Amino acid sequence: AQSVTQLGSHVSVSEGALVLLRCNYSSSVPPYLFWYVQYPNQGLQLLLKYTTGATLVKGINGFEAEFKKSETSFHLTKPSAHMSDAAEYFCAVTGGSQGNLIFGKGTKLSVKP
Amino acid sequence: GAVVSQHPSWVICKSGTSVKIECRSLDFQATTMFWYRQFPKQSLMLMATSNEGSKATYEQGVEKDKFLINHASLTLSTLTVTSAHPEDSSFYICSAPKGLVTGELFFGEGSRLTVL
Repeated sequence: AQSVTQLGSHVSVSEGALVLLRCNYSSSVPPYLFWYVQYPNQGLQLLLKYTTGATLVKGINGFEAEFKKSETSFHLTKPSAHMSDAAEYFCAVTGGSQGNLIFGKGTKLSVKP
Repeated sequence: GAVVSQHPSWVICKSGTSVKIECRSLDFQATTMFWYRQFPKQSLMLMATSNEGSKATYEQGVEKDKFLINHASLTLSTLTVTSAHPEDSSFYICSAPKGLVTGELFFGEGSRLTVL
């Protein structure tokens, strides 16, 4: 069965600092991996995804993530945090046969001025 | 722009009443839609998979008689919370896959249900 573990329920960084949100997955099949962002009382917006091919994927708003099969990881990074990056971030892996996603518990990112 | 629209965004109801939430795919047909529930400061838990033209598939522990799902057309799925109680208060989010290859889901804006 597929599962996702996000280390750290809350990460706080200063504006301009590196953002690193950790995600490890477990999957019995080659995974499709996703990072979504959620602002308060809103749905989820896709940041980036890995399906096949290049293991370093770039997404919106300057975020990127690297798929490391040997480490079963898909950590999300951004070189320089902006105040507008403050939100909840969810890592997800493709789940059941009908295409649903399995989500991690989420990491709340706070950005200090 | 949004490709999945959910309505209403907010709803407050009295205990014992029923509430219907609509989820529409805006520019594509969705034979499958997923309904998730999100508790405060927690992750999204899949409640059920809505299938156009057939019965929904519910996850273990989800009461199908309480959470009625109807996928009446290729662009509309509805979730009805019947005889709502305060413990049903939550954030409900629908989603739909667009395309079969990447597995990406598009999410509605979510519906905040508060049962008094």
